[in-house]
Amino acid sequence: EVQLVESGGDLVQPGRSLRLSCTASGFTFGDYTITWVRQVPGKGLEWVGFNRGEFQGALTEYAAPVKGRFTILRDDSKSIAYLQMNSLTSEDTAVYYCVRGYRSLGDYWGQGTLVTVSS
Amino acid sequence: DVVMAQSPPSLPVTLGQPASISCRSSQSLARSDGKTYLNWFQQRPGQSPRRLIYEASNRDSGVPDRFSGSGSGTDFTLKISRVEAEDIGVYYCMQGAHWPGTFGQGTKVEIK
Repeated sequence: EVQLVESGGDLVQPGRSLRLSCTASGFTFGDYTITWVRQVPGKGLEWVGFNRGEFQGALTEYAAPVKGRFTILRDDSKSIAYLQMNSLTSEDTAVYYCVRGYRSLGDYWGQGTLVTVSS
Repeated sequence: DVVMAQSPPSLPVTLGQPASISCRSSQSLARSDGKTYLNWFQQRPGQSPRRLIYEASNRDSGVPDRFSGSGSGTDFTLKISRVEAEDIGVYYCMQGAHWPGTFGQGTKVEIK
């Protein structure tokens, strides 16, 4: 059974950093792009970025609101993807989802992890 | 960025009746590989989104056949042939043809 499990969400002060993890199981992790999507509670969905693994030709891209502050990493040997978030602002408060895929995104989603940025 | 204009924002429906959601993109979602990268998602209250349709018209495994997707280029439609109570939630279209991927604003389907 394919599973994606996010962890690491927390309450953090503005300007601080946080790292989220996405632990995958049930499929060959290195064969798939991992995308992060976020959702402000009660609002719509927003792409954060994606990481395409070495097997597919390594590539990482970020949406404009997070570019330069967020980094997506992956450890294919452990089937884990990370979202390193720096210089957090209140605008980053959201539920963060780890999602399998890219162009045909989303056959599998994690349960989400809540990040709250507040003093 | 590609803008996804989804309508209506709210859709009151009668159980057993059909429902339709429209999604228009500001650029064509057809790529040179022959695929059209338009997906539809359902998000029930308190749950993660669930993909229903990928590449405009392909139904995901386990999705009831009352859901269907159609369209090409910039105009797309999600249809529910007969709405059931479990179909309540918010529906999103999403394009993956151009970076960054973008979602529609969502359509809230609720029972009349």
